[in-house]
Amino acid sequence: ILNVEQSPQSLHVQEGDSTNFTCSFPSSNFYALHWYRWETAKSPEALFVMTLNGDEKKKGRISATLNTKEGYSYLYIKGSQPEDSATYLCALAPNTGNQFYFGTGTSLTVIP
Amino acid sequence: KAGVTQTPRYLIKTRGQQVTLSCSPISGHRSVSWYQQTPGQGLQFLFEYFSETQRNKGNFPGRFSGRQFSNSRSEMNVSTLELGDSALYLCASSLGAVSSYEQYFGPGTRLTVT
Repeated sequence: ILNVEQSPQSLHVQEGDSTNFTCSFPSSNFYALHWYRWETAKSPEALFVMTLNGDEKKKGRISATLNTKEGYSYLYIKGSQPEDSATYLCALAPNTGNQFYFGTGTSLTVIP
Repeated sequence: KAGVTQTPRYLIKTRGQQVTLSCSPISGHRSVSWYQQTPGQGLQFLFEYFSETQRNKGNFPGRFSGRQFSNSRSEMNVSTLELGDSALYLCASSLGAVSSYEQYFGPGTRLTVT
């Protein structure tokens, strides 16, 4: 069992603030890292798939970076909006197969 | 394009019974994975099917089983239900069996065991 850790566990920010959270994983067990956004009463939604050290991905105001050598990925949200309120999950695939190890998530609340 | 669907959405069963959950992947997706989420726990991987073959299996007892049909639809079965099996069960589909493909999740089945 691989340990994927996310921090912080929860976060409350004001609308317009920028924020970031961390996903840490064992650097020796890496093939791919996925980020998801999971809103209450909805399905987890794929944000990014990251596979290469130094990867930087961006979708609108959300971006992510990956450092496989030190075993972490950052997710950034610029100018948070109330609709960004959700739980953000990262999931590690240690090999090519579709067996993922999920972190427990960071719960983000954006206060209008 | 229709998303991943799961049926039923909610289910209440009694300890000792068995249950079957169904997952229909996005059209063209051949990989289906199943996850369990219990309170306080992250998503735990159950198993993955690709082209009707189980390719990966998580650390769950043999009471948890699954299968995939030729149209890629998948079912998971839990026999001899225990109270601890109460959870949200999610399935996810992807184009291929490689972890660099995006996974698309269904809405989940909420199972309550009494």
